[in-house]
Amino acid sequence: DIQMTQSPASLSASLGETVSIECLASEDIYNNLAWYQQKPGKSPQFLIYYASSLQDGVPSRFSGSGSGTQYSLKINSLESEDAATYFCLQDSEYPYTFGAGTKLELK
Amino acid sequence: VQLVESGGGLVQPGKSLKLSCSASGFTFSSYGMHWIRQAPGKGLDWVAYISSSSGTVYADAVKGRFTISRDNAKNTLYLQLNSLKSEDTAIYYCARDWELYFDYWGQGVMVTVSS
Repeated sequence: DIQMTQSPASLSASLGETVSIECLASEDIYNNLAWYQQKPGKSPQFLIYYASSLQDGVPSRFSGSGSGTQYSLKINSLESEDAATYFCLQDSEYPYTFGAGTKLELK
Repeated sequence: VQLVESGGGLVQPGKSLKLSCSASGFTFSSYGMHWIRQAPGKGLDWVAYISSSSGTVYADAVKGRFTISRDNAKNTLYLQLNSLKSEDTAIYYCARDWELYFDYWGQGVMVTVSS
């Protein structure tokens, strides 16, 4: 199975700041990576697919990048609604696997 | 698009349960569907997939115990959970497959396996 190592596990940032979250795959996943946002008590929301494509309706302050085994999610100009846990997902092969999540707290 | 799960609850180890996911707002028969679970306070685990033509794939942890199926006439996805273990305790989400990703998720249903 492909292992997804996500970092950091948590981070704290202020409104207006920019943050980055990383996911490292145990092997090349050929950009087959998505990012999801989950707020407490809610189901995950689809943010980015194929490493860097923004899903319809997702604010442009979210962006994704990477290739091979290394991928990142960047959130510019943090807003209060961005407080959530973020997960990466590889869908390069079954079984699909998720990163452990990054909890983003707004100061 | 709306996905609504049901059928969860408290069940003893070794027993069975059947989850349902009622779909609306899209042509259900044209889409593959997934089940994903999340243990309390933990991360997400993909469980199973069924294609629009009813081909299936399972995670090793549930293979031989869980069965994913669909009824296109009823716009409903199912997950039959047999021989349940405590480690199956989780919120179970159904999700629509779009280009191999999960684009819409249900609100989830809780399954608790305990004696």
